[in-house]
Amino acid sequence: GESVGLHLPTLSVQEGDNSIINCAYSNSASDYFIWYKQESGKGPQFIIDIRSNMDKRQGQRVTVLLNKTVKHLSLQIAATQPGDSAVYFCAENNPAAGNKLTFGGGTRVLVKP
Amino acid sequence: KAGVTQTPRYLIKTRGQQVTLSCSPISGHRSVSWYQQTPGQGLQFLFEYFSETQRNKGNFPGRFSGRQFSNSRSEMNVSTLELGDSALYLCASNIHRGAPQETQYFGPGTRLLVL
Repeated sequence: GESVGLHLPTLSVQEGDNSIINCAYSNSASDYFIWYKQESGKGPQFIIDIRSNMDKRQGQRVTVLLNKTVKHLSLQIAATQPGDSAVYFCAENNPAAGNKLTFGGGTRVLVKP
Repeated sequence: KAGVTQTPRYLIKTRGQQVTLSCSPISGHRSVSWYQQTPGQGLQFLFEYFSETQRNKGNFPGRFSGRQFSNSRSEMNVSTLELGDSALYLCASNIHRGAPQETQYFGPGTRLLVL
């Protein structure tokens, strides 16, 4: 993913609705992907991960979809809650790069009550 | 189990000074990575340490350095600080069982302001 700098894309969603956050990753050799949530003043918090041999993985209220053909990753949050308001980052890991994660620019999610 | 801890949480320095940041990984985690987060560049990888050795390095100048101790705790140092070094410095740890696909868990970060 590419950093988008100061102007993060923002997704405004009504409380209770579903949210979909998209991410385009950069390296076709990447085989591991992670979604992180970062709240103001905190470090990134792990949400869910997926390996390249899968195309879908579900967690509690979250689902990650992986489309390797178009190098696209998405995070779906069901029944979005006010506590879901944060910046969400996707990260990719290229096995040739060891433990180095490459992060996307992030998407800000604002939940409206 | 306690999470990744970083000290100090906030720091103000002036140009030309040097700074040392500390990271204690999750107990049992042997690999520590450092990232810099700025509004302009986002999250960028600095370096990774495992078994007291730097295994991987990002594209940062030599002013940025680090080390890891035998208890897996890590420090990073920035010498001759520049205004552009103002950022949130994040430390992440993972177990390192040997597989490349391991989740990294982040600490709260150290907010550095260079005046």
